[in-house]
Amino acid sequence: AQSVTQLDSQVPVFEEAPVELRCNYSSSVSVYLFWYVQYPNQGLQLLLKYLSGSTLVKGINGFEAEFNKSQTSFHLRKPSVHISDTAEYFCAVRPPGANNLFFGTGTRLTVIP
Amino acid sequence: DSGVTQTPKHLITATGQRVTLRCSPRSGDLSVYWYQQSLDQGLQFLIQYYNGEERAKGNILERFSAQQFPDLHSELNLSSLELGDSALYFCASSVEQSGTQYFGPGTRLLVL
Repeated sequence: AQSVTQLDSQVPVFEEAPVELRCNYSSSVSVYLFWYVQYPNQGLQLLLKYLSGSTLVKGINGFEAEFNKSQTSFHLRKPSVHISDTAEYFCAVRPPGANNLFFGTGTRLTVIP
Repeated sequence: DSGVTQTPKHLITATGQRVTLRCSPRSGDLSVYWYQQSLDQGLQFLIQYYNGEERAKGNILERFSAQQFPDLHSELNLSSLELGDSALYFCASSVEQSGTQYFGPGTRLLVL
């Protein structure tokens, strides 16, 4: 079965500092990869996605992620965070042949002023 | 705003009852997905419909059912509710059967 691991359940970081949220997946075949953000009391918003092509993917709000096939990772990064980035971040994969997404357990990013 | 709408936003009910959650996909999207988000299980896929037909099933209980209507809106029916059904229920939609999914704001269900 497909699994997604987000090792860090909580990540505190100071405002304007860089951040990396880690995501690893278990699959020996190519998958489609996604990062979603959930702000307090809101739904999931798509940050970025990797379907094919360049391994460095740029998303909204200054976030980017790098697909690493050999390490089966898709880590999310931002060079300088803002208070408004405080939210829960979910990594998700869609294996080939599947229609649904498999989500990680989420990482709560807290930006400290 | 993703363009996916869900009603109601909040629902409080008692054990043993039945509720219906409603989802309207983005304009032009044919596929609707239902997910459940709970503290102990995380985000889990329940079921998918594409253009009115069931396409994929996940960890959906037999007490739960869904359908997609000709106007493409979808309803998730939860019956014989238990305390453990308390969760946030999300609907997502996509253009194709396996396209990028856009999520609605969710319905928060509390079973007392």
